[in-house]
Amino acid sequence: EVQLVESGGGLIQPGGSLRLSCAASGFTVSSNYMNWVRQAPGKGLEWVSVIYNGGSTYYADSVKGRFTISRDDSKNTLYLQMNSLRAEDTAVYYCARDPIFAYGVGVWGQGTTVTVSS
Amino acid sequence: FVLTQSPGTLSLSPGERATLSCRASQSIYSNYLAWYQQKPGQAPRLLMYGASSRATGIPDRFSGSGSGTDFTLTISRLEPEDFAVYYCQQYGSSPRTFGPGTKLEIK
Repeated sequence: EVQLVESGGGLIQPGGSLRLSCAASGFTVSSNYMNWVRQAPGKGLEWVSVIYNGGSTYYADSVKGRFTISRDDSKNTLYLQMNSLRAEDTAVYYCARDPIFAYGVGVWGQGTTVTVSS
Repeated sequence: FVLTQSPGTLSLSPGERATLSCRASQSIYSNYLAWYQQKPGQAPRLLMYGASSRATGIPDRFSGSGSGTDFTLTISRLEPEDFAVYYCQQYGSSPRTFGPGTKLEIK
């Protein structure tokens, strides 16, 4: 069964850092494009970042320079390092396999909640 | 890259046909346009990819069409479980982009 399980969310003060993890099973992270997507309370989906199978990375303007996407191929795990957190980063964060090489098998994690507040 | 979805809210009854629109500010490479369904408290679920291919396990009452900048998701006969929010996403280039969503509600 293909599955993604996120962890690492929590309550953090403005300016703080947090690292989210996304453990994959049933498929290989490094063979796919992998995304982080977030959803602020009551709002729509916002794409955050993608890492290509070749290692190239891209970011939304709202997080560029503060967030870093990476993966550990030995652990089949995706990460999102979030620095200089702001109140507007408060959201549920999902990891998701990009549709481009998924051939119709969509995989999203259950989401992990990040709350930035003093 | 901006995606616009219309209508913002669609009120229909079970058994009716639903037509949701997604328009891109520029042509989407290889029609790499996906549709997702999201219910309250749940992660999004992939419905369609490549504009017109159904994802694994998606019933055939869901269909997608379109190319270039104009795309449509059609639900032929609404079932009670279809009432949710629907998002389109382009994945032909990065940064990826989601549309603002269409809420499909029971009339």
